[in-house]
Amino acid sequence: DAKTTQPPSMDCAEGRAANLPCNHSTISGNEYVYWYRQIHSQGPQYIIHGLKNNETNEMASLIITEDRKSSTLILPHATLRDTAVYYCIVSPSSGTYKYIFGTGTRLKVLA
Amino acid sequence: DTAVSQTPKYLVTQMGNDKSIKCEQNLGHDTMYWYKQDSKKFLKIMFSYNNKELIINETVPNRFSPKSPDKAHLNLHINSLELGDSAVYFCASSLSGGNHEQYFGPGTRLTVT
Repeated sequence: DAKTTQPPSMDCAEGRAANLPCNHSTISGNEYVYWYRQIHSQGPQYIIHGLKNNETNEMASLIITEDRKSSTLILPHATLRDTAVYYCIVSPSSGTYKYIFGTGTRLKVLA
Repeated sequence: DTAVSQTPKYLVTQMGNDKSIKCEQNLGHDTMYWYKQDSKKFLKIMFSYNNKELIINETVPNRFSPKSPDKAHLNLHINSLELGDSAVYFCASSLSGGNHEQYFGPGTRLTVT
């Protein structure tokens, strides 16, 4: 079973920020939070990851709560090409680095 | 340059046949994976190799046999194909260690008739 829970779907207006939440209440101290997205039937694409600090890259920002039990992926200015299924995954920092994908959030960016 | 490539992209075959899917990565990674995405879009890890050694082997029928001839290649051979094997198979690679993202290939859509 996935160790994360996400809303099944969300809509966002083009040009606005998309905030995608993820709950990972059973996360361990050595587990990272990763975000991937899958556009249509392409291979999943890495977006961002973090351990406990907030992170930002050219694609998105990741906000992790202080207790690390939840996080939010922020796409600052969503475009139509951001329409995809977004997956939040927790992965250990050592061992087999096994990803367990949940059902993700289907984000639809509306024109 | 394609980072993680898979061949073939589409594979249509009959029940009972044996088929192989190939994966190659040119990223210099030492860990490679096979995932299966079924018709309900659930994405599940099947196998992982680190430096040509099998490190993850999920509950997969032994008709599925991965082979890693070197760190840049991970192939998946499937014997006696069944209807339920129809799915999209994704290969991925990464550096070892938990602080490294995985790069996925474009997928191979397998249809068993």
